[in-house]
Amino acid sequence: SQQGEEDPQALSIQEGENATMNCSYKTSINNLQWYRQNSGRGLVHLILIRSNEREKHSGRLRVTLDTSKKSSSLLITASRAADTASYFCATDKNNAGNMLTFGGGTRLMVKP
Amino acid sequence: ETGVTQTPRHLVMGMTNKKSLKCEQHLGHNAMYWYKQSAKKPLELMFVYNFKEQTENNSVPSRFSPECPNSSHLFLHLHTLQPEDSALYLCASSQTSASSYEQYFGPGTRLTVT
Repeated sequence: SQQGEEDPQALSIQEGENATMNCSYKTSINNLQWYRQNSGRGLVHLILIRSNEREKHSGRLRVTLDTSKKSSSLLITASRAADTASYFCATDKNNAGNMLTFGGGTRLMVKP
Repeated sequence: ETGVTQTPRHLVMGMTNKKSLKCEQHLGHNAMYWYKQSAKKPLELMFVYNFKEQTENNSVPSRFSPECPNSSHLFLHLHTLQPEDSALYLCASSQTSASSYEQYFGPGTRLTVT
């Protein structure tokens, strides 16, 4: 089974609403990262949260990490049509360097 | 633009062909990665290079052969591929292959094996 799994697999909301995506993982990690991918393109790094951090903000993005539950969430506030993309969490396991294991992603559609 | 370029962007090849994918990063990074993204499967790490040395081969079949002549360039040589190898191949780079560095991805090469 994969290290990171996102939930839900797909999410459709109206512009202006908030979008919340969740990620669960199985082993101890150093960091957890969130990436965004527009259809058929490369991934873009959004935010990195370290295992000793609980919450991090970047613009309209808020990421939380609960290492006791091995889970993370990504909140996008006041969503825009341009936020339509797939969002992936990626983890690097302890003592495994920067070898990231990605989840299956959440496909977010923001309707104008 | 992420500072990582990949060529070609699209490639169609037969199972008996030999082709190469190219990746170049303009970020001064020392680590480079190849990933495979198939439909309905998570992104899979294939190879990792750090300071031109291969540090990870994630059980990739030998029909995929990576080459890293310097820290800025990474190639993936392809030969006798199978239709199931059709996928988006993504290159990425980071400062080093140590933990905690974000990875910068190229736009990918869409490969179709016929």
